[in-house]
Amino acid sequence: EVQVVQSGAEVKKAGESLKISCEGSGYTFSKYWIAWVRQTPGKGLEWVGVIYPGDSETRYSPSFQGLVTISAAKSTSTAYLQWSSLKATDSAIYYCARVGVVVPAAVNSYYYVMDVWGQGTTVTVSS
Amino acid sequence: QSALTQPASVSGSPGQSITISCTGTSSDIGDYTYVSWYQQHPGKAPKLLIYEVFNRHSGVSNRFSGSKSGNTASLTIAGLQAEDEADYYCASYTNANTVGVFGGGTRVTVL
Repeated sequence: EVQVVQSGAEVKKAGESLKISCEGSGYTFSKYWIAWVRQTPGKGLEWVGVIYPGDSETRYSPSFQGLVTISAAKSTSTAYLQWSSLKATDSAIYYCARVGVVVPAAVNSYYYVMDVWGQGTTVTVSS
Repeated sequence: QSALTQPASVSGSPGQSITISCTGTSSDIGDYTYVSWYQQHPGKAPKLLIYEVFNRHSGVSNRFSGSKSGNTASLTIAGLQAEDEADYYCASYTNANTVGVFGGGTRVTVL
């Protein structure tokens, strides 16, 4: 069974660092992009970014560029999302998802379709 | 990035059909056939329903169908059932960034 399993809920203080994880199983992890998506309480979904574990190519939403770091370890089939200094506004549910469909839409630009989602990691940051 | 525009809520009675719209611009929906739809039940992770405008994901009921006209994509749910009560999000490729854009979400209520 193809699945992605995320690490547990985190409670942190503003200014602390954090790294959450997403482990893929049931498929060849290095051959599929992994996406990260944020959902704030009562609000919608927002793109954070994507990573291709095969070569660690990473792309970020402009809203998150420079604020978070996405990485992956092929040896453990795990992707990561990390912050060096959390803010209260980072409080949200973060989902990772396997990208099952990737379509070249333009030069060096792709359409990503998330077909298997993790259960979500709730991050709570107090000020 | 600017979110795609969806109605906040849509409702219908069991057995009826409803349609959820998702309006973008020529930078996303208008110029590309790269639109996806996701369903999210309360407290659960999103699930993929539709991709590339009208392709149903494996295992998704044929009561769900997608279409596009101009800058607007649509998701139609036929034969509405109680289990369809959930939030629905559209998503699209955009040439304005390197990842994509989501709609604000639509809450579907079965009366």
